[in-house]
Amino acid sequence: DTEVTQTPKHLVMGMTNKKSLKCEQHMGHRAMYWYKQKAKKPPELMFVYSYEKLSINESVPSRFSPECPNSSLLNLHLHALQPEDSALYLCASSQDLQGRTQYFGPGTRLLVL
Amino acid sequence: QQQVKQSPQSLIVQKGGISIINCAYENTAFDYFPWYQQFPGKGPALLIAIRPDVSEKKEGRFTISFNKSAKQFSLHIMDSQPGDSATYFCAASIFQGAQKLVFGQGTRLTINP
Repeated sequence: DTEVTQTPKHLVMGMTNKKSLKCEQHMGHRAMYWYKQKAKKPPELMFVYSYEKLSINESVPSRFSPECPNSSLLNLHLHALQPEDSALYLCASSQDLQGRTQYFGPGTRLLVL
Repeated sequence: QQQVKQSPQSLIVQKGGISIINCAYENTAFDYFPWYQQFPGKGPALLIAIRPDVSEKKEGRFTISFNKSAKQFSLHIMDSQPGDSATYFCAASIFQGAQKLVFGQGTRLTINP
């Protein structure tokens, strides 16, 4: 099973709201990733977790706050977002930090009003 | 030097034809070259991948050709079908604290019936 699941599928939020995106994988992978993808553009890396610890933060604004409660779950907490943050947010996982194959989830389509 | 250049930006092919998408890179530290297929509203799905010590890899109708000296690689889709209509991203992987994927800009492929 190479499935990564993400909830919700769609999310609309105002600039003063707080919301969270969730990602889950049951492949026993130890590395998990958050990407942001704007329309007609490739995914851009935001964060990398390895063994539930943050390994990489690609200079993402603090209004995005990741969390890895356990090896199967990855959350992205959102607060005080801007309309330009509207995008498809993708979660991915790989066996570990050296794993070259990343498996992507279906994404959460976020609209910030 | 971290870029992966992908062409064409869009491609229209008749059903049964051969679709060819090209990518080029500069950084010789890249050590893994995957192709992802993405349908509208979905996450990218790994299609096929190759390591730089191999010149060609074939999986069904999909073939990667890799030219290490020219720093180029391409995806060939034989007997293209309408169901292949999607956006295709080439990528190159490099280890920088984690295996990071550097994506090309994407090719929107349309297969006409």
